[in-house]
Amino acid sequence: AQTVTQSQPEMSVQEAETVTLSCTYDTSENNYYLFWYKQPPSRQMILVIRQEAYKQQNATENRFSVNFQKAAKSFSLKISDSQLGDTAMYFCAFMTYTGANSKLTFGKGITLSVRP
Amino acid sequence: AAGVIQSPRHLIKEKRETATLKCYPIPRHDTVYWYQQGPGQDPQFLISFYEKMQSDKGSIPDRFSAQQFSDYHSELNMSSLELGDSALYFCASSSSGSRNEQYFGPGTRLTVT
Repeated sequence: AQTVTQSQPEMSVQEAETVTLSCTYDTSENNYYLFWYKQPPSRQMILVIRQEAYKQQNATENRFSVNFQKAAKSFSLKISDSQLGDTAMYFCAFMTYTGANSKLTFGKGITLSVRP
Repeated sequence: AAGVIQSPRHLIKEKRETATLKCYPIPRHDTVYWYQQGPGQDPQFLISFYEKMQSDKGSIPDRFSAQQFSDYHSELNMSSLELGDSALYFCASSSSGSRNEQYFGPGTRLTVT
């Protein structure tokens, strides 16, 4: 079974600064996907960024980028130029590569507050 | 672009009652997933369907059942409701050609009193 660990329950960052959210996971699989989802106060689950384990290059989406360390089983999210709208709960999630069982396994989440 | 539709958005039921949650996936998506998110918790996988057949099962109570219909919409039926069933229930959908892209609906907030 896969596990996803987010050890920081809360973080705070000043607007326009950079913040890094940590995530580690455990799996015996070699091929899988990793995700960061954002859940704002509206409770909608929004996909922020996706990383395929077989790709060495770190994924980037505008102000969001990841640091994927496969050997260390680490998957951190860096948010640059933080904006007030980034205030939300952020979940790290894991998905195996097999087609039939592609459920998401989430970490406990981290609450990010962006201060004006 | 069309998104995943869930109905109702809010539902209040009493203990021991029955509830039915509906999910309409994005057009041309053939796979549906159900997740339960308790207060202050992370979403937990309940069950998934591909082409109207159950494809995987997670921590879904025996009191719950679900199915996917010929038009690919799905329903989650919950009986003998308990206070602990109060949660946000998400439906997500994906296409078989791109299962790593799951799109979530807005969720149904179920309150059991």
